[in-house]
Amino acid sequence: QVQLVESGGGVVPPGRSLRLSCVASEFIFDSYAIHWVRQAPGKGLDWVALISHDGSTKYYTDSVRGRFTVSRDNSRNTLFLQMDSLRPDDTAVYFCARWGRKYHFDHWGQGTLVTVTS
Amino acid sequence: NFMLTQPHSVSESPGKTVTISCTGSSGSIASNYVQWYQQRPGSAPTTVIYEDDQRPSGVPDRFSGSIDSSSNSASLTISGLKTEDEADYYCQSYDGNNRVLFGGGTKLTVL
Repeated sequence: QVQLVESGGGVVPPGRSLRLSCVASEFIFDSYAIHWVRQAPGKGLDWVALISHDGSTKYYTDSVRGRFTVSRDNSRNTLFLQMDSLRPDDTAVYFCARWGRKYHFDHWGQGTLVTVTS
Repeated sequence: NFMLTQPHSVSESPGKTVTISCTGSSGSIASNYVQWYQQRPGSAPTTVIYEDDQRPSGVPDRFSGSIDSSSNSASLTISGLKTEDEADYYCQSYDGNNRVLFGGGTKLTVL
């Protein structure tokens, strides 16, 4: 059973940093691109970032470029999202999601909540 | 910037058919595949349609997807509505710059 488990969320004041993790299991992690997608409370899905299977390619949505960094450690089956200079509008549940062989997000984690507030 | 626009909400009775639209703001929506995700409260999304009109295994054939190039839109049609279909539905594609794009989501009420 493919699993993605996020962790690292919490409550932080504006301007601080947070590092999210997403641990994968039951699939060949280094064969798949993984994305971060967030959802603000009561709002829709908002794509954040993508990292290719080998970590060589990364893309970001405009609002986080320069503040967030996506990375992965394929030896530990783990994806990371380093979030710096956090703002209140970064408050959301952050999901990691696998981009599958068929053209869609075929597995998602349960999400981890990040709250940015003073 | 390319955007995907969905109706905020739709409602229909059990047993009926409902169609949710997803309209591209510019360019051609047919240039990239469109996916549809269902999200129930408190849960992660799950795919109901991928590659415009394909159903993952386990998704009933009551769900179908299509593309209409003339209106630059994609559609998700759910027939034989059941109360369990009540959820938020999101279309997803790309913006042409290797960035994933979601529509704003449509809340389906089955009453």
